[in-house]
Amino acid sequence: DQQVKQNSPSLSVQEGRISILNCDYTNSMFDYFLWYKKYPAEGPTFLISISSIKDKNEDGRFTVFLNKSAKHLSLHIVPSQPGDSAVYFCAASATGNEKLTFGTGTRLTIIP
Amino acid sequence: DTAVSQTPKYLVTQMGNDKSIKCEQNLGHDTMYWYKQDSKKFLKIMFSYNNKELIINETVPNRFSPKSPDKAHLNLHINSLELGDSAVYFCASRGGGYGYTFGSGTRLTVV
Repeated sequence: DQQVKQNSPSLSVQEGRISILNCDYTNSMFDYFLWYKKYPAEGPTFLISISSIKDKNEDGRFTVFLNKSAKHLSLHIVPSQPGDSAVYFCAASATGNEKLTFGTGTRLTIIP
Repeated sequence: DTAVSQTPKYLVTQMGNDKSIKCEQNLGHDTMYWYKQDSKKFLKIMFSYNNKELIINETVPNRFSPKSPDKAHLNLHINSLELGDSAVYFCASRGGGYGYTFGSGTRLTVV
């Protein structure tokens, strides 16, 4: 039972354009969402997060949007840079629960 | 001065063997985790310890036994290894908030 889904296993974007990565969840108890970035042979690193009381959070080139009614969140990267090429994982958590539930990741490739 | 370090990075072993993976964090975090990334790239929690106490055990087979000698260390021992145990195992720690710090992973291959 996959409660966090990233339906696009891969995405290619031209350098300088906007990258949009999508994530859907099914558990209505989730109230905190995170994006992690992973390079090959390294562990995931925290990128940006959003609480369910917000619908947008911005940090430099990265913005996360949350649509609670649709149980959908997205990560926007603009402008995309070659160093953004990595696997991006969406993750979710519920208050009072220690664990993060991850999606299966989207491999983003930025084309120079 | 790596924040979360795991050893070994690669482990190739035969079916039926017993092996351990070590994890140490120098962040002063109270909570540590083991996650498994399987062949479908699904990152799934196995165990969580808070200050040496087990708080999450996600229906992992008894062959997997975590051990936390102190809050900076969480080791994973696996008995009677099976082919299906082949995966990448990630250790992580968490202080306040929801941001985890992950180790770089241990790729276990059972042959």
